[in-house]
Amino acid sequence: EAQVTQNPRYLITVTGKKLTVTCSQNMNHEYMSWYRQDPGLGLRQIYYSMNVEVTDKGDVPEGYKVSRKEKRNFPLILESPSPNQTSLYFCASSFTGLGEKAFFGQGTRLTVV
Amino acid sequence: AQTVTQSQPEMSVQEAETVTLSCTYDTSESNYYLFWYKQPPSRQMILVIRQEAYKQQNATENRFSVNFQKAAKSFSLKISDSQLGDTAMYFCAFMKGASWGKLQFGAGTQVVVTP
Repeated sequence: EAQVTQNPRYLITVTGKKLTVTCSQNMNHEYMSWYRQDPGLGLRQIYYSMNVEVTDKGDVPEGYKVSRKEKRNFPLILESPSPNQTSLYFCASSFTGLGEKAFFGQGTRLTVV
Repeated sequence: AQTVTQSQPEMSVQEAETVTLSCTYDTSESNYYLFWYKQPPSRQMILVIRQEAYKQQNATENRFSVNFQKAAKSFSLKISDSQLGDTAMYFCAFMKGASWGKLQFGAGTQVVVTP
């Protein structure tokens, strides 16, 4: 089954404790990205990757890091989480990123206390 | 910069009735794509419909159809014969033609379908 898999689905952590949210897709997509969803703001792009070893900032990259060492994986790293990073996070992928359908993961609900 | 506006935070509709969600966007681009995504309580983001700006014909997918007014920069979604399973948050999204997959989302409209 074609899918984007995120883990974990729920995470509660403390301020400053490094964490990683994993994202994996099995569709051989070149393009992957991360979004955060906040009430009243919709989804906003954090980072994106056009292919292996090619990443760039989205609209809200502060406090986040990403890497793309393999085509299928695109982890999101919070090196020192803060409460304002409490949010719902989505990973998405598509073949090229140029106008076609994006496939989304199930979402990760992160709470930073 | 592009912005996407959904002016209706919440809408209620009875089963079998029709509801229309509004979306307006602001852009100076001529090549772009518009989307409606559905997010049910499961949180999964599901593509409902996609429209290419250069196509004048409005996209349809079963009970879902859009009214794309390019000059007015309007992209409304009509849900016909509403079903309980249509209860969800609906997001309108915009993508420039060459923006490497960056979707810009509106704030969302919560649709509640009642028996």
